[in-house]
Amino acid sequence: QSALTQPPSVSGSPGQSVTISCTGTSSDVGTYNRVSWYQQPPGTAPKLMIYEVNNRPSGVPDRFSGSKSGNTASLTISGLQTEDEADYYCSSYTSGNIYVFGTGTKVTVL
Amino acid sequence: EVQLVESGGGLVQPGGSLRLSCAASGFTFSGNWMSWVRQAPGKGLEWVAIIKQDGSEKYYVDSVKGRFTISRDNAKNSLYLQMNSLRAEDTAVYYCARVRWSSFDYWGQGTLVTVSS
Repeated sequence: QSALTQPPSVSGSPGQSVTISCTGTSSDVGTYNRVSWYQQPPGTAPKLMIYEVNNRPSGVPDRFSGSKSGNTASLTISGLQTEDEADYYCSSYTSGNIYVFGTGTKVTVL
Repeated sequence: EVQLVESGGGLVQPGGSLRLSCAASGFTFSGNWMSWVRQAPGKGLEWVAIIKQDGSEKYYVDSVKGRFTISRDNAKNSLYLQMNSLRAEDTAVYYCARVRWSSFDYWGQGTLVTVSS
């Protein structure tokens, strides 16, 4: 049950695109299309942004997109906006109804 | 509107116990798996436990197995986390979350548990 690996930080200017990686193993990300992404502004509860690799819940802007290749999933924010500044976490289902989160990435809008 | 409201957090000494509650509303509580997720101060999210709709299946992160027990009362639309033998490293904000699409689609505001002498 080791945490998934994310870069500590990424940054971009308004309007640019940024991509956050989430690296797991063949026991989690590599086997299951059950990767989700969460946005957490400071002092608030996490919010679901992407589920099952590349699906957006109702109300999430289409600037947010997800993908997966092998043991690595990715979240891309296109057309970066100031309100996108937050911590982002990935999560994956693993075998036996166990879940694991990523280490978290701080997104800074320059 | 889906709402999850946690309660029961507080200051407890090492080795002590605490019971967290999560009151759910705005959806059919008995229709969803439910989970607890925690976040130590200044740290990342950590999945803690999950329970099936009827309570027949429960799963835990290794670090809390044998010490924490997740349960639910569908008649009261409530989720619980009984925490025993608490350690300093259990200090965190504990979130209640609804499970859907193998993800956590709604979260409560969290309740802070501090384990310290």
